[in-house]
Amino acid sequence: GAVVSQHPSRVICKSGTSVKIECRSLDFQATTMFWYRQFPKQSLMLMATSNEGSKATYEQGVEKDKFLINHASLTLSTLTVTSAHPEDSSFYICSALSQGGANEKLFFGSGTQLSVL
Amino acid sequence: GDSVTQMEGPVTLSEEAFLTINCTYTATGYPSLFWYVQYPGEGLQLLLKATKADDKGSNKGFEATYRKETTSFHLEKGSVQVSDSAVYFCALNPSNTGKLIFGQGTTLQVKP
Repeated sequence: GAVVSQHPSRVICKSGTSVKIECRSLDFQATTMFWYRQFPKQSLMLMATSNEGSKATYEQGVEKDKFLINHASLTLSTLTVTSAHPEDSSFYICSALSQGGANEKLFFGSGTQLSVL
Repeated sequence: GDSVTQMEGPVTLSEEAFLTINCTYTATGYPSLFWYVQYPGEGLQLLLKATKADDKGSNKGFEATYRKETTSFHLEKGSVQVSDSAVYFCALNPSNTGKLIFGQGTTLQVKP
């Protein structure tokens, strides 16, 4: 079946550095991908919708200059956490929408645990 | 706004026990409802879904019925196995766009 690959699965970085997370659709083209974050014991919260070839759409309260999203191809979206701080430590997960009428489905990556020291 | 509330975990059961994980939602309109499962080290996988009131989604022995009158979508399984140990997420799709609203997840541990 369709698979979404997310990398890295875990990253530890120093405060002030930037971290890039990749989300790839391996056997289908995804014009739309979504980025979520999850704090411990809380829901996955939608951060932004990533559209291939256009700017991402951010949810209310999400800083677009801090969480840079690039969707340059039909199989790859990246999330860059710029100048990361400890409060950015969280679990980030992407999903990709496989479109095709009745076969439209949503597939998730395995997530990235970010720890900022 | 729209929201999903799940029962808190972790839920610990013995093998072959009956499972219920409660999920209630708040939404305007008629959203689609989902249960996703996340096994250790893997991505979320769709377990089952229901798109309208009174629909029953089922898969791998799990069932959930879309109850509009109680705004609920409780997950049930008659006899759990150790391999069912995972985190379960209830979610709704208010506008059929792929933007899901999730509950906080419930960890299930099944002991042999």
